[in-house]
Amino acid sequence: ETGVTQSPTHLIKTRGQQVTLRCSSQSGHNTVSWYQQALGQGPQFIFQYYREEENGRGNFPPRFSGLQFPNYSSELNVNALELDDSALYLCASSSQLKRNTGELFFGEGSRLTVL
Amino acid sequence: AQSVTQLGSHVSVSEGALVLLRCNYSSSVPPYLFWYVQYPNQGLQLLLKYTTGATLVKGINGFEAEFKKSETSFHLTKPSAHMSDAAEYFCAVRTTGGTSYGKLTFGQGTILTVHP
Repeated sequence: ETGVTQSPTHLIKTRGQQVTLRCSSQSGHNTVSWYQQALGQGPQFIFQYYREEENGRGNFPPRFSGLQFPNYSSELNVNALELDDSALYLCASSSQLKRNTGELFFGEGSRLTVL
Repeated sequence: AQSVTQLGSHVSVSEGALVLLRCNYSSSVPPYLFWYVQYPNQGLQLLLKYTTGATLVKGINGFEAEFKKSETSFHLTKPSAHMSDAAEYFCAVRTTGGTSYGKLTFGQGTILTVHP
């Protein structure tokens, strides 16, 4: 059974650029959630994808967008990067039955630095 | 709306001593509560959860937590700390309103240091 995998693990961008982060869910999990963890803070919910549709969104602007593919993998896209977007971006997967229970399996994250 | 407050951003204990990490929550409905642990350079791992039923819940690695509705608390304990427990611990509550239904609201985290 494979766990949640994310890529890239680290990346550096400059303000105004665009970034795409990728996530493969744990085997058998069809729901993917994305969280942003700024330095010294707890993770904040960005959005969740279920059956290739956005299924819930936190308090993030539209320049944060996502996709889910038929194999349940997912992408997080951030346009017009700002310095405050520097953070660890965590992907988490869950099964269909538990997608709204809070029981999540997290990947190791993608650390984004915006200069 | 739900919220979580973790008292103490850093807790330091000696190996073998009691671990107590404090968490208070705010929720207008019966909460689902969680503790997650994050080891350095890793993602979060579920330690334990409370949904309904028994208020004392046991998790992995010898940790347990007690849901106290009257105190709106969900403190995490372990009788005897081990060096491998050094990590950051996050308390979380399931969100029940708006477009974030079913998602998690996390506290700020508590870094646990264990001294030999």
